[in-house]
Amino acid sequence: DTEVTQTPKHLVMGMTNKKSLKCEQHMGHRAMYWYKQKAKKPPELMFVYSYEKLSINESVPSRFSPECPNSSLLNLHLHALQPEDSALYLCASSHPQAGQVYGYTFGSGTRLTVV
Amino acid sequence: QQPVQSPQAVILREGEDAVINCSSSKALYSVHWYRQKHGEAPVFLMILLKGGEQKGHEKISASFNEKKQQSSLYLTASQLSYSGTYFCGTDSQGGSEKLVFGKGTKLTVNP
Repeated sequence: DTEVTQTPKHLVMGMTNKKSLKCEQHMGHRAMYWYKQKAKKPPELMFVYSYEKLSINESVPSRFSPECPNSSLLNLHLHALQPEDSALYLCASSHPQAGQVYGYTFGSGTRLTVV
Repeated sequence: QQPVQSPQAVILREGEDAVINCSSSKALYSVHWYRQKHGEAPVFLMILLKGGEQKGHEKISASFNEKKQQSSLYLTASQLSYSGTYFCGTDSQGGSEKLVFGKGTKLTVNP
């Protein structure tokens, strides 16, 4: 299995809703990432989990809350979002090892619309 | 700090060559290259490491000038399937956990 699976593929939510995005990989990768991508823009890093510990939080507003239940799963909990949070949310994984560098495998993303 | 990519866009005919550049003002440990087609996820193409090692799994080539903190991606004999937006991602901290992506180069290959 060489894929990162994200669900749902599309999500429309109101500003008072609570929802979660899910990401799963079975490649044994120990680093997992959340990126936000606006149309015609590059992906912007939000969070990094390394060996199931949050290692990077790019000053993301608290209405986004990541969770890594185990080495294969990554969730992003959403609450009280704003319309400007509408974007493609990408999950990625990689296999960090001391002295080694690996490319990222991205999921196909969740396209989020906040109304 | 975001790396600078050039050109912003390029249009080719099938079989033509292209070079995409990526430069950073910071010392880099590695440079990643990804291609993203419209409506799809970015796909890993190549890593270039400080020290000259390259890792990739497609028929492309790239270079990394450590003195200038510049990388170039070479697309030769382009095919229609090469169309997409190419992003470089730079790692200035080591470990490739914090990649910063450039704004992208949109490549269009026409028949």
